[in-house]
Amino acid sequence: GQNIDQPTEMTATEGAIVQINCTYQTSGFNGLFWYQQHAGEAPTFLSYNVLDGLEEKGRFSSFLSRSKGYSYLLLKELQMKDSASYLCAVLDSNYQLIWGAGTKLIIKP
Amino acid sequence: NAGVTQTPKFRVLKTGQSMTLLCAQDMNHEYMYWYRQDPGMGLRLIHYSVGEGTTAKGEVPDGYNVSRLKKQNFLLGLESAAPSQTSVYFCASEEGAATQPQHFGDGTRLSIL
Repeated sequence: GQNIDQPTEMTATEGAIVQINCTYQTSGFNGLFWYQQHAGEAPTFLSYNVLDGLEEKGRFSSFLSRSKGYSYLLLKELQMKDSASYLCAVLDSNYQLIWGAGTKLIIKP
Repeated sequence: NAGVTQTPKFRVLKTGQSMTLLCAQDMNHEYMYWYRQDPGMGLRLIHYSVGEGTTAKGEVPDGYNVSRLKKQNFLLGLESAAPSQTSVYFCASEEGAATQPQHFGDGTRLSIL
């Protein structure tokens, strides 16, 4: 079966750095997405990785290792507004998106 | 700058009632999707459409029907609502290449009593 694993919840301090991991086992791989979802709101796109390595976008970076079936989202200089759920999703061999359950990130002052 | 608009935003139904959720997008996107989101679970695909007049089943299609008569609209119907269909429903659209990000509506919170 297809499976995506993320930690259920993480807590971090304002101004710090946090890394949210995502491991996957899917039938084929055509890329991995990260989305942010604030409570009661719609998911919004953060990043897309299809090649190994790190991609940086301002305070957010996303890393992919296809051989290990692993990705992480790195958030730097945390702000209170970063409190949200972070969803990992993988495009399988049929170009269907398989979603993880999401990681709820709590930022404390 | 509407993007993806879902109506209604909230609804309470009784078991056995029927209703239709409407999704409209103004980005001229080819692909549209209906998901449900339940606590502790990832988004689950109900039905999707790769173009006007076409629909296909997703992971959890039972109890739902869809129609895409116009490119900009994607309707999700519940024929006979059941308590297990209590959920938050999200519509999303995408340009037409699966490697492009999906754009989501604000969701419809549906409770079935």
